[in-house]
Amino acid sequence: KQEVTQIPAALSVPEGENLVLNCSFTDSAIYNLQWFRQDPGKGLTSLLLIQSSQREQTSGRLNASLDKSSGRSTLYIAASQPGDSATYLCALANAGGTSYGKLTFGQGTILTVHP
Amino acid sequence: KAGVTQTPRYLIKTRGQQVTLSCSPISGHRSVSWYQQTPGQGLQFLFEYFSETQRNKGNFPGRFSGRQFSNSRSEMNVSTLELGDSALYLCASSPWTGNTEAFFGQGTRLTVV
Repeated sequence: KQEVTQIPAALSVPEGENLVLNCSFTDSAIYNLQWFRQDPGKGLTSLLLIQSSQREQTSGRLNASLDKSSGRSTLYIAASQPGDSATYLCALANAGGTSYGKLTFGQGTILTVHP
Repeated sequence: KAGVTQTPRYLIKTRGQQVTLSCSPISGHRSVSWYQQTPGQGLQFLFEYFSETQRNKGNFPGRFSGRQFSNSRSEMNVSTLELGDSALYLCASSPWTGNTEAFFGQGTRLTVV
């Protein structure tokens, strides 16, 4: 059974800092990994998708890496801004079987960027 | 391109009642999955539908059910509501079945009193 852990649970930083959010997983037989952002009371916004065969993906100030051998993914946010304040979730899709069509989520990292 | 649309956005129901939530996927997407989000359990998978067929189901009681129509729109139903069913219910849309990129709606906030 896939288990996903996100560290830290919460993070508060001043504006402008570069920061790293961590996601670890127990089953490396993944199909892909997605990072999402969730604002309070809202749905999930997809940030980056990394396929199993890829090592990293970049979008603007965001960079996500994937290391299946160590069961880890990191989300790097450069030059953080107050508008980046949200909960960040990583979600994994495992290959086939009872995991078909299912994403397994971590508990999220609550990020606060203060001016 | 319109995103995933969930209706209604908010619902208040009484214990014992039943409720139906609706999800319209992104145009052209044929897979719809549902998740329950609570503060204690986080996001948990309910089920996934593709071509009007349930392809996978999470570990939820039979009171939770769903269906998908020929236009890919999906509904989920919860019967005999319990206080613990209070949650944010999120629907995700994907182009195809299996584990492709998921796009989520804004969710339906269900409160059971």
